[in-house]
Amino acid sequence: EVQLVESGGGLVQPGRSLKLSCVASGFTFSNYGMNWIRQAPGKGLEWVAYISSGSSYIYYAETVKGRFTISRDNAKNTLYLQMTSLRSEDTALYYCARKNWGYYFDYWGQGVMVTVSS
Amino acid sequence: DIQMTQSPASLSASLEEIVTITCQASQDIGNWLSWYQQKPGKSPQLLIYGATSLADGVPSRFSGSRSGTQYSLKISRLQVEDIGIYYCLQAYSAPYTFGAGTKLELK
Repeated sequence: EVQLVESGGGLVQPGRSLKLSCVASGFTFSNYGMNWIRQAPGKGLEWVAYISSGSSYIYYAETVKGRFTISRDNAKNTLYLQMTSLRSEDTALYYCARKNWGYYFDYWGQGVMVTVSS
Repeated sequence: DIQMTQSPASLSASLEEIVTITCQASQDIGNWLSWYQQKPGKSPQLLIYGATSLADGVPSRFSGSRSGTQYSLKISRLQVEDIGIYYCLQAYSAPYTFGAGTKLELK
């Protein structure tokens, strides 16, 4: 069974940093690209970042470019999102999701909440 | 960047009614369009991929279609468990983009 479990969220002050993790199981993690997607309270889904299976290709949404860094450790089956210079508008539920070769997200984690507030 | 214009924003329908939601892509994305259902407090779940293919375990009353750069999700006979918010996604060209969502309610 495919499982994606996010962790690392919490309450953080504006301008500070936070690192999210997503541990994958039930599939060969190193064979798939992975994504972070977020959802602000009461709002829609916003794609945040993508990393290819071997980390060769990395893309970001303009809203986070230069502040967030996506990475992965295939030996640990873990995806990361390092978030710096956090802003109140980064407050959201952050999901990790697997990208299938057919250009869709087939498995999603349960999400981890990040709240940026003083 | 590719924009996904989803409509309607909200929809109220009766049980057994046919429901259609559409997404218009601003550029050609071929068949690389997927649909997701999100129920309150839950993660999004894949419904349709490749514009027309039904994901595993998804009831056959859900179907997807494409006409040029317009994509549609159809629920042939609305059931209570279909209530939620529906999103389209293009993950063909970065930055990947979701539609704004359609909130489906029971009339």
